[in-house]
Amino acid sequence: EPEVTQTPSHQVTQMGQEVILRCVPISNHLYFYWYRQILGQKVEFLVSFYNNEISEKSEIFDDQFSVERPDGSNFTLKIRSTKLEDSAMYFCASSQDRDDEKLFFGSGTQLSVL
Amino acid sequence: QKEVEQDPGPLSVPEGAIVSLNCTYSNSAFQYFMWYRQYSRKGPELLMYTYSSGNKEDGRFTAQVDKSSKYISLFIRDSQPSDSATYLCAMSAILTGGGNKLTFGTGTQLKVEL
Repeated sequence: EPEVTQTPSHQVTQMGQEVILRCVPISNHLYFYWYRQILGQKVEFLVSFYNNEISEKSEIFDDQFSVERPDGSNFTLKIRSTKLEDSAMYFCASSQDRDDEKLFFGSGTQLSVL
Repeated sequence: QKEVEQDPGPLSVPEGAIVSLNCTYSNSAFQYFMWYRQYSRKGPELLMYTYSSGNKEDGRFTAQVDKSSKYISLFIRDSQPSDSATYLCAMSAILTGGGNKLTFGTGTQLKVEL
């Protein structure tokens, strides 16, 4: 069964460093998303991406965050200068098309900012 | 008032019991309603999705939506120890730019005991 894959599964970084989280969405899907889950809190929407541009972003997704689809398969989330409060599990998700309510999530990248 | 409210539990039931999980919401714009299952340190896995008010059944799972009361439920019949997980309700409105931004509940932790 096709699945969304994310790498790395764990990332430890120092405050102020840049990190790139990587995702390979399901191959025929056209919409891509990043969500995050701070320990003990809700899963929160960060950004949606379609046709090589951001469709919508939350207020969490400030100038320190960026997304990119550098090739036909990868979808990345970059945090330019990490803060302690960026520590969370980051989930990538994809859906088949714009009217598809079914999102499929990856297993996540646990980001720890020290 | 929070957009989506869900009792975090934990909920502990004996094997074979019927489980009832619930969420309430305040945003009338929500059109799509989903239940995700999340095992520890894993990504959310889509279990059920519904669009209209009423019931939808899939095996041991039944999703129920009451838009007039802004209340959704997930019932699990003949619960098994393998059903032990956190169950997240999620909802979305149709985005003007397409795509599907989900708003999650906090999740209910379920344990099914032998």
